This record gives sequence, structure tokens and C-alpha cells, in this order.
Amino acid sequence: QVQLQESGPGLVKPSETLSLTCAVSGYSISSGYYWGWIRQPPGKGLEWIGSIYHSGSTYYNPSLKSRVTISVDTSKNQFSLKLSSVTAADTAVYYCAGQGIAVAGTPTAFDIWGQGTMVTVSS
Amino acid sequence: QSALTQPRSVSGSPGQSVTISCTGTSSDVGGYNYVSWYQQHPGKAPKLMIYDVSKRPSGVPDRFSGSKSGNTASLTISGLQAEDEADYYCCSYAGSYTPFGGGTKLTVL
Repeated sequence: QVQLQESGPGLVKPSETLSLTCAVSGYSISSGYYWGWIRQPPGKGLEWIGSIYHSGSTYYNPSLKSRVTISVDTSKNQFSLKLSSVTAADTAVYYCAGQGIAVAGTPTAFDIWGQGTMVTVSS
Repeated sequence: QSALTQPRSVSGSPGQSVTISCTGTSSDVGGYNYVSWYQQHPGKAPKLMIYDVSKRPSGVPDRFSGSKSGNTASLTISGLQAEDEADYYCCSYAGSYTPFGGGTKLTVL
């Protein structure tokens, strides 16, 4: 059974960099999914942050692109998120998820989700 | 790019059917057959209910169905049950971008 588990600090100071890791178990991260990050501010909707393929190919939400870096570590079967220059608006539950791939290589639906981790930006 | 547009809330009685719409543009919903729908109960992670516009993952009841016409996708839930009360989100591939809808709260009366 495939499982995803987010980890990282629950509190980050304004202007600093938020760093989270998603450990994948029960499935090789190199076996054919995109791996993505989605966030949800308290009481609000879902926002896609970005996704990465095991080769390292990435695509990001244009509204966050200047501050986001997603990387993959196939040796540890995990992928990571870094979001720089955070403000209170970045306070949210952050989810990692596995995103399927269509025959044409297009990323499709998020069919595996982690439980989510709450990150608060505050001094 | 802006999020896909969903109604903020819908409601229905047990046994009835409800439809939730998701309106985008020709660059996302209308341009690709990669619309997905997610159910989220309070405090829980989202769950995939529909992918590729109308396909159901294993384990999702056939009361849930999806469709698309032009730039608008729809999720229909028939035979409403109390446990269907949740937030629902649509999502679409949009060429190197994957926007979500703003979410719809389904209330089962």
C-alpha cells in the first residue's frame, strides 16, 4: 500500500524559508508518478504549488514560481518543498500527493495523498 | 491564471441528486480531458473521486459521475447519502499548470 508522509517544522518565521519533505513508502518514487505539493490555508480552498517527475523535471504554479523549489531524492525515496520569503499568507496545511501520468506523459489526477502538515508563519 | 469557478454551496435531501459545476476556459477544462474531482471531509486529506473527466477510481461508488461540456465540467452525485456531505474540488491540467476550483460545500439536508 502506497503511503505518503509529510515532515518538517510546524512554525516558520516571516521572511525565512519553509522546508518540507514527503517520504514515499510502498512504491518506488522512480516508477512513474509525478509528485506534487498542494496547500490549504485555514478555512480556504486547495492551491496547487508544483509537481516534479523522478527525472527532476518540474512545473510550478506561476503565482509561486519565484519562491518555490521542489526536488526529488530517489535514493531516499522522498521529495521536498522549499518556499522562500514566507509571510503569514503562506500559513496553511501542506499536502504532498502522487499525480498520475497519462499515456502522452501529461500529469493528471492526484490519487495518493499524505495526511497533511500544518505550517504556521509567525514570529 | 485564476482558479476554476465552482458554486460556493449546493444542497440536497437524502436520495436526491445534485450536480456541481466547474467552469474554466479553453486553456484548462475545455482544452484537456484531465479534469478530476476530490471530496474532502473536515480535517481530512482530499480523496480522488473522479479522474479524466468521468472515470471512477476503484472503491468509489457509482453514485458519483463526471462529465464535461465545453469549458464546464460537472460532478453529479445521485442517491445522496448523509456521508456525502463534504467539500468538493475540481482540478484540471492546463499545460504546465494544475489549477483547482475554489471548492463547493455540499450540505445533505
